[in-house]
Amino acid sequence: QSVLTQPPSASGTPGQKVTISCSGSSSNIGSNYVYWYQQLPGTAPKLLIYRNNERPSGVPDRFSGSKSGTSASLAISGLRSEDEAEYYCAAWHDSLSSWAFGGGTKLTVL
Amino acid sequence: QVQLQESGPGLVKPSETLSLTCTVSGDSISGYYWSWIRQPAGMGLEWVGRAYPSGSILYNSSLKSRVTLSLDMSKNQFSLKMSSMTAADTAVYYCAREACRESSCYSWSYFPDSWGQGTLVTVSS
Repeated sequence: QSVLTQPPSASGTPGQKVTISCSGSSSNIGSNYVYWYQQLPGTAPKLLIYRNNERPSGVPDRFSGSKSGTSASLAISGLRSEDEAEYYCAAWHDSLSSWAFGGGTKLTVL
Repeated sequence: QVQLQESGPGLVKPSETLSLTCTVSGDSISGYYWSWIRQPAGMGLEWVGRAYPSGSILYNSSLKSRVTLSLDMSKNQFSLKMSSMTAADTAVYYCAREACRESSCYSWSYFPDSWGQGTLVTVSS
């Protein structure tokens, strides 16, 4: 059972906007930055969002992150077929002194 | 651009010790934290532990008694040893670089920004 809670699945049609939530506690999301990773089938996770809402170079601005209290969200606008992947949120957990990950959300582009 | 490559046996017998190495190219391992993260088939990510060149090492509390991490600065490598392997340890093991993108960096400022391709480890007799 993951420390951070994500919905197991999400879906949308091309061009739509989809939002994926990530819920935690005061020991992780509530006191630290949130990170988002995209994992395409058969590949390693790739950094998508860091420090709640910043994008590494090369990540399209269709991807955006936000955080409020002990929850965070990843929004994908202008959905494209290549966005079909598993998405994971992560945050440092202070009391466990460890990285906490969400269980992952499988995004399907219909 | 940094590249990470995991290497090690793909098959380990139950009760044996797993040894994995992550070879880093394109950058020095100095100045970064280095983590191992694993993923059982069809499941989510589980952090195993992290190490810093200064000697600071943290382990997942659930694995701490079985895991040893080490850094070899001369070879630019990062290693994992996990003892008493069981079928529950079957997973893809990733090594990841943790970088800091702030003006002042503390242990909690670092985060995984680059990952290796992963190596599948199967525990079976």
